[in-house]
Amino acid sequence: DTGVSQDPRHKITKRGQNVTFRCDPISEHNRLYWYRQTLGQGPEFLTYFQNEAQLEKSRLLSDRFSAERPKGSFSTLEIQRTEQGDSAMYLCASTLGQGTPLHFGNGTRLTVT
Amino acid sequence: SQQGEEDPQALSIQEGENATMNCSYKTSINNLQWYRQNSGRGLVHLILIRSNEREKHSGRLRVTLDTSKKSSSLLITASRAADTASYFCATDTSNDYKLSFGAGTTVTVRA
Repeated sequence: DTGVSQDPRHKITKRGQNVTFRCDPISEHNRLYWYRQTLGQGPEFLTYFQNEAQLEKSRLLSDRFSAERPKGSFSTLEIQRTEQGDSAMYLCASTLGQGTPLHFGNGTRLTVT
Repeated sequence: SQQGEEDPQALSIQEGENATMNCSYKTSINNLQWYRQNSGRGLVHLILIRSNEREKHSGRLRVTLDTSKKSSSLLITASRAADTASYFCATDTSNDYKLSFGAGTTVTVRA
């Protein structure tokens, strides 16, 4: 069990640029989640996958955000035309299934200048 | 919107003292979980309590759940400097397995 890994750890980008983050979950976990966390707040749900199927996407998520999980393995989260309000920590988590704890990565901190 | 709300927002205690934080939530749940987050890191799962359980222990942690009041508490006994972190409750509601987190309690343990 090597844990959930996320890449990059930090990303600084200019407003209007596109960014992509990667998450590698624990290998036997079929559920993968993306959360966003701003300073002083708890994680806010963005989307989740069961295997390669994206089962739910938060209504708060604009169409500038897209996530994929090809072949049910790693996942990517892309933000197009970044805005300053996108600055946050983006957390990935995986789990075996319903009712089991989430295992989080250390996140990608995005700063949009 | 966040399902759970932790209270207090911040807590400062002396090493060796106990720390208690509370979580209130709005809708019925399958289970409630507590997580810890050190600064700049991801969350680490501490304990899960199911809706039909009232109390659970894990090492120096004690969690209670009162579904009639829609509230839970986390007690950390004999605190250590390493317990300095933010603590979040998260609820698993009946419809899907999508944990909803509160805003957290920041605990500072002074040596």
